[in-house]
Amino acid sequence: QVQLQESGPGLVKPSETLSLTCTVSGGSISSYYWSWIRQPPGKGLEWIGYIYYSGSTNYNPSLKSRVTISVDTSKNQFSLKLSSVTAADTAVYYCARVRGDYVSGYYYYYMDVWGKGTTVTVSS
Amino acid sequence: EIVLTQSPGTLSLSPGERATLSCRASQSVSSSYLAWYQQKPGQAPRLLIYGASSRATGIPDRFSGSGSGTDFTLTISRLEPEDFAVYYCQQYGSSSWTFGQGTKVEIK
Repeated sequence: QVQLQESGPGLVKPSETLSLTCTVSGGSISSYYWSWIRQPPGKGLEWIGYIYYSGSTNYNPSLKSRVTISVDTSKNQFSLKLSSVTAADTAVYYCARVRGDYVSGYYYYYMDVWGKGTTVTVSS
Repeated sequence: EIVLTQSPGTLSLSPGERATLSCRASQSVSSSYLAWYQQKPGQAPRLLIYGASSRATGIPDRFSGSGSGTDFTLTISRLEPEDFAVYYCQQYGSSSWTFGQGTKVEIK
C-alpha cells in the first residue's frame, strides 16, 4: 500500500529556510493532491498547503508569503520550503495524500494516507 | 477562512459509554467536504470519516458521522479502550482548508 516518509533537518536556525521532502512509495504521485500539515508541541493541527501532481498549489493564507510546495514526479516526491522561520515554526510536520473523488455529482476530499511525521525545531 | 469550533474541549467517559463530539463551522460547508480524524499520542492522524458520514476503510461501525451546513457530529456508540484519543474535524470547502482545535476523549 502507499506509504509516505518525511525527511529533512531536525534543527533549523531562526531566519533560515526549513526544507522537507516527502517520498511516496508503493504508488504513483500522479492523479492526487499532496499536502503538508504541522502540529506545534501540545497543540492542534494546522494545514500548510497542497500541491496537485501537475504542479498547481494552494497555501494557508497565514503562511502564504513564506511557503513553497513543489513536486518531482520523476522521484515520486514533493517538498516543502518555509522561509524566515522563527521558534513559532517548531512543530511536527506531516505529509499526506489528499483524495479528491468525484462520486454522484459531488467531489469528496480527505487525507487518507499520512506520513509518520518529522520533528523540526527552530533554535540557534 | 472558515473557522471550525469543536466542543467540548475534553470529554471524560468510561469504556462502553457513548461519545458525541460536535464540530461547528463559521459558515456553511458542503457535507462532502467535511472529514474527521483520530490522533493518538505520538502518532499521525488517522482518517475516520469523510463526506461527513462515510466511514473510511477499516473503521469500525461504532464510529458514525452526521450533520450538514454548519453543524456536524461524530458519534462513537460504545467506547472501546483504543478509542481514547483526540479527534479533529477538517473542512475542504473553501480555498483555505482548516482543522478544528480538537476534542480529547479521555477515560473517566
